[in-house]
Amino acid sequence: NAGVTQTPKFQVLKTGQSMTLQCAQDMNHNSMYWYRQDPGMGLRLIYYSASEGTTDKGEVPNGYNVSRLNKREFSLRLESAAPSQTSVYFCASSRRPGQGVVQPQHFGDGTRLSIL
Amino acid sequence: AQTVTQSQPEMSVQEAETVTLSCTYDTSESDYYLFWYKQPPSRQMILVIRQEAYKQQNATENRFSVNFQKAAKSFSLKISDSQLGDAAMYFCAYRSARGGADGLTFGKGTHLIIQP
Repeated sequence: NAGVTQTPKFQVLKTGQSMTLQCAQDMNHNSMYWYRQDPGMGLRLIYYSASEGTTDKGEVPNGYNVSRLNKREFSLRLESAAPSQTSVYFCASSRRPGQGVVQPQHFGDGTRLSIL
Repeated sequence: AQTVTQSQPEMSVQEAETVTLSCTYDTSESDYYLFWYKQPPSRQMILVIRQEAYKQQNATENRFSVNFQKAAKSFSLKISDSQLGDAAMYFCAYRSARGGADGLTFGKGTHLIIQP
């Protein structure tokens, strides 16, 4: 049972290069999320997708785009990477929130991205 | 917007002792969920415990328990019989219970050191 799988685990880019981070989940979850984690900070939400075909901005969306390819897959794209986007990126998924029932988010192992 | 504050950047405890990590949050909502996540050096985000705001009873998971004070907007984590494997970053997180799939709002984390 893989859970949430992120690829790649590590990547180094040059300023201005583009890249897509991939995320797939095998838990049949409706909702998926992208976060970034910077030193000394908790995770901050970049984008989320409540269901297939929908995406919404989170707290820090500038410089990123996302695609909910199907129910399983949710990708994050950096069109023109900047040093400020050096971070660890986490993908997560959860069931759609139920009435009065908390649905925890399950996280991937993260992608460490360095932009020179 | 909701905010989550963890006022202890670092805590240290002797093995087998009890430690309490603090978390406060700010929200105008009455229905929400609270979580504690553990992040060991492996970088994984591991759910420790969850609490629904409408429940008065404090959540417990083995050696982990919370003290949820809704009026004070406080959500502390108590770890009993601390073990070396408990050493990690601990993040408090908030999630709205309203419809949609808003992501988690995290605090900046507390680094927990276990002294052998």
